Amino acid sequence: AQKVTQAQTEISVVEKEDVTLDCVYETRDTTYYLFWYKQPPSGELVFLIRRNSFDEQNEISGRYSWNFQKSTSSFNFTITASQVVDSAVYFCALSVAGYSTLTFGKGTMLLVSP
Amino acid sequence: GAGVSQSPRYKVTKRGQDVALRCDPISGHVSLYWYRQALGQGPEFLTYFNYEAQQDKSGLPNDRFSAERPEGSISTLTIQRTEQRDSAMYRCASSLNGHSYEQYFGPGTRLTVT
Repeated sequence: AQKVTQAQTEISVVEKEDVTLDCVYETRDTTYYLFWYKQPPSGELVFLIRRNSFDEQNEISGRYSWNFQKSTSSFNFTITASQVVDSAVYFCALSVAGYSTLTFGKGTMLLVSP
Repeated sequence: GAGVSQSPRYKVTKRGQDVALRCDPISGHVSLYWYRQALGQGPEFLTYFNYEAQQDKSGLPNDRFSAERPEGSISTLTIQRTEQRDSAMYRCASSLNGHSYEQYFGPGTRLTVT
């Protein structure tokens, strides 16, 4: 069975601070996929990134970056110079090869104040 | 292009009534998923389809829940004899195919059973 743990329930920062959201996953499969989704106050779920288990290169997209470390089963998400518009609930999710449904963590609520 | 759409966006029903929730996936997407999200939690898998075939319904909580996708496009999730514990956000997602590609979510249907 798969499991995703987001230990941080809520994080509050002031605009322009950097913030890292933690994600730890559990799976016995050697081929798997990791995802991050954003749920803004409006409620929709927005896809941010997908990584496969064979690609441990960190990824950067603008102010967003992701650090994938198989040794610690973690896939952490960093927002640099946070903005108020980054306020949302962020979900980490996992799927395994041959079984495409997503297992989500409970989410981390990020509050960015001006 | 058009994203995933769901209707109704909000549904209030009385205990014991049947409800049908509709999902219209992104055109050309083979796979369609249903998830349920309780307040403060991540989405939980219910069932999914490739084309018109229901591949996995292991997440459906009991036999009051059923889903269909008769022509491989629009899907309907039906809950019979609703109970208060069925109140939640029901989310539909679609993906290009079932090989762990990213899933794109609709806005959800907020179901309230009174």
